[in-house]
Amino acid sequence: DIQMTQSPSSLSASVGDRVTITCRASQSVRTYLSWYQQEPGKAPKLLIYAASSLQSGVPSRFSGSGSGTDFTLTISSLQPGDFATYYCLQAYSAPWTFGQGTKVEIK
Amino acid sequence: EVQLVESGGGLVQPGGSLRLSCAASGFTFRTYWLSWVRQAPGKGLEWVANINQDGSEKPYVDSVKGRFTISRDDAKNSLYLQMNSLRAEDTAVYYCATLKPYGDSIDYWGQGTLVTVSS
Repeated sequence: DIQMTQSPSSLSASVGDRVTITCRASQSVRTYLSWYQQEPGKAPKLLIYAASSLQSGVPSRFSGSGSGTDFTLTISSLQPGDFATYYCLQAYSAPWTFGQGTKVEIK
Repeated sequence: EVQLVESGGGLVQPGGSLRLSCAASGFTFRTYWLSWVRQAPGKGLEWVANINQDGSEKPYVDSVKGRFTISRDDAKNSLYLQMNSLRAEDTAVYYCATLKPYGDSIDYWGQGTLVTVSS
């Protein structure tokens, strides 16, 4: 199975900050990597698919990059609604695996 | 508008069975891969299973193989998860979801249904 390691597991940031979350795969997943945002008590929401494609309706302050084993989710200017938990997912091979999550909290 | 509505969750004893349903609307159901994802209380997301358009491909996470069965009924626009031999560690919110056409990500999610396995 492919292991997905996210870092950091949590971070504190202020509105307007630039935030970067990384996800590392135990083997290449090419660009079969997506990012999700989950607010407490809600279903996850797709932000980025195919490593760097912005899902329709998602603000352009979210961006993704990477291929192979190393990936990054960047929020260019953190907004109040962005305080949530973020997950990466590899869909290259079954079983699909999520990262453990990164909780973004208000500083 | 895509809508996915799960039902069938509840409290079940260890070793028991439960069948989850997901009613879909707002898209051409028969053309999509579908998925179940779960989240234990206070924990992260765990992919459970996928099913392709004709039901011929159904990969599962190892921990549910032989106990859970994913299925679909295109005439009813419905996705199912039959869960047998339930264990305490199966306690979670179960989400049904659609996959993007290229199958590289999970697109739309339902609101989830809670399954609690406890005596």
